[in-house]
Amino acid sequence: AQSVSQHNHHVILSEAASLELGCNYSYGGTVNLFWYVQYPGQHLQLLLKYFSGDPLVKGIKGFEAEFIKSKFSFNLRKPSVQWSDTAEYFCAVNAVTGGYNKLIFGAGTRLAVHP
Amino acid sequence: DAGVTQSPTHLIKTRGQHVTLRCSPISGHKSVSWYQQVLGQGPQFIFQYYEKEERGRGNFPDRFSARQFPNYSSELNVNALLLGDSALYLCASSFWGLNTEAFFGQGTRLTVV
Repeated sequence: AQSVSQHNHHVILSEAASLELGCNYSYGGTVNLFWYVQYPGQHLQLLLKYFSGDPLVKGIKGFEAEFIKSKFSFNLRKPSVQWSDTAEYFCAVNAVTGGYNKLIFGAGTRLAVHP
Repeated sequence: DAGVTQSPTHLIKTRGQHVTLRCSPISGHKSVSWYQQVLGQGPQFIFQYYEKEERGRGNFPDRFSARQFPNYSSELNVNALLLGDSALYLCASSFWGLNTEAFFGQGTRLTVV
């Protein structure tokens, strides 16, 4: 069965620290990869996506992610976090099976950034 | 520019009751998917509809059903509610196809008591 694993459930950082959130997936076929963010009280928003091409993708608010196919990984990075990055982050894989697409989400990582 | 809208935002139901949740997709999107997000977990896929037909179903019991209307809006129905059905129910709309992204609504918070 397909699955997505996020290694860190809770991360606490100080402002200006660097961030890396791990994401691994298990699926042997073609995948699209996503990072979504959920700010407190808001809906899930897309941070960035990978469909094909350059494995290093840049998203909104200074976030980037690197797709490493051999490691089945899609880690999220930001060189310098801000207090406003406090949110929950979800990695998701879009697996095409049986003629339809569905998103498989990881359990999420809660990030708290202290001023 | 209206995003995905869901109603109601909050709902409290008693065990054994039935509930209907509603979703209106972004204009131009013909695919609607439903997800269940239990506290502390990531969203789990329930259904996907495209052009009024069910195109995919996750690992949920038959108490869960859905439909899509000619205007592409959708309803999720849950019968014989259990305490474990308490969750945030998310609706996502998208274009149909592989290289598409899903846009999520605010969700409906269902509490079963």
